[in-house]
Amino acid sequence: GENVEQHPSTLSVQEGDSAVIKCTYSDSASNYFPWYKQELGKGPQLIIDIRSNVGEKKDQRIAVTLNKTAKHFSLHITETQPEDSAVYFCASSASNTGKLIFGQGTTLQVKP
Amino acid sequence: GAGVSQSPSNKVTEKGKDVELRCDPISGHTALYWYRQSLGQGLEFLIYFQGNSAPDKSGLPSDRFSAERTGGSVSTLTIQRTQQEDSAVYLCASSLAGVRLAHTDTQYFGPGTRLTVL
Repeated sequence: GENVEQHPSTLSVQEGDSAVIKCTYSDSASNYFPWYKQELGKGPQLIIDIRSNVGEKKDQRIAVTLNKTAKHFSLHITETQPEDSAVYFCASSASNTGKLIFGQGTTLQVKP
Repeated sequence: GAGVSQSPSNKVTEKGKDVELRCDPISGHTALYWYRQSLGQGLEFLIYFQGNSAPDKSGLPSDRFSAERTGGSVSTLTIQRTQQEDSAVYLCASSLAGVRLAHTDTQYFGPGTRLTVL
């Protein structure tokens, strides 16, 4: 069935360093790949997304890359700040309903 | 503008009781989704609404779970005869149209309802 694997489960970096989170999906029909940030006690918030017709997308300190051949996509955060500390989820969608299949999440800690 | 709202924010119930969780989507959004987030787990899809109909109920874990949407707006998720394994955060999301011409719209999430079954 549809599955998304996310690694690592926890990531600790020093302020100013880069952070990379990787996901692998199983359904080759997947065509939409959003990334969400979830802070404690809040709902997930979209930070960036990418569609299958592009290989990379950037928004300030955040970038996402997609390798459809390998069924991999990754989130890159540069110049990390303490406020980047949160749980990050990747997801994929292959359905004509838009339902999202989520990875297990990565807890990112940015140390000042 | 107003985002997705959910009520109650917290619900504690006893095993065997029924509960109703409410979701108010962003105004004008025709697609509505329910997801469940168990402790330390990712988000699990439950059900999708387009307008008032639910073309995809594939994620509902048992027949104790049901949902409805009225007026193309508010949705209610009902869990009957709650069990301890139902304890989780129930998240609602809405998007403008779901999927249009193979283009998936952004889903905006509410803050969730934390359900605890004792």
